Amino acid sequence: NAGVTQTPKFQVLKTGQSMTLQCAQDMNHEYMSWYRQDPGMGLRLIHYSVGAGITDQGEVPNGYNVSRSTTEDFPLRLLSAAPSQTSVYFCASRTGLAGNNEQFFGPGTRLTVL
Amino acid sequence: DAKTTQPNSMESNEEEPVHLPCNHSTISGTDYIHWYRQLPSQGPEYVIHGLTSNVNNRMASLAIAEDRKSSTLILHRATLRDAAVYYCILSLETSGSRLTFGEGTQLTVNP
Repeated sequence: NAGVTQTPKFQVLKTGQSMTLQCAQDMNHEYMSWYRQDPGMGLRLIHYSVGAGITDQGEVPNGYNVSRSTTEDFPLRLLSAAPSQTSVYFCASRTGLAGNNEQFFGPGTRLTVL
Repeated sequence: DAKTTQPNSMESNEEEPVHLPCNHSTISGTDYIHWYRQLPSQGPEYVIHGLTSNVNNRMASLAIAEDRKSSTLILHRATLRDAAVYYCILSLETSGSRLTFGEGTQLTVNP
């Protein structure tokens, strides 16, 4: 199993540009999430999905869109990039709804918005 | 959501045990206690979790207080590779993918 994969590893955008961060998992997990981590801080939840076709907002959803057309993929779209979105983005997946489940994280995408 | 409180930083020597504390005085009966760690420039990595009883796995042990208002992650013999930020997180049994991360404890391991 490759686990949770993210592309690209690094990205530089100009203010106002849009882009999609890709996330895929091969563990047949129902639950997937996107987090962002600013320097020296913990992770904050952006959006999450409890299954194909079902998404919901997390703590900091503004400026981001998600969709979940398949179990495997959960892309994160930046609509109009802003310098405040400079961060490291982590995708994660887990198998079940309950708190009694391990969450698997991808290696992250480092995004800089100029 | 219930919050956790951890020391900002701790230091240990290689091959010595490390006890990382976490306070969660507002924990509810259905909150699981999770620990994750994050090595430099990597995504968080699961360490261990528990509900009421102490737990052991190949990476660590988790000691949970009888009133569940605090817990301690125990690394039995610290190695240089254990230097990381350790996050203590409460995860609701009925939540979706929600894990609320605080700022964690930066563990330094001295050779």
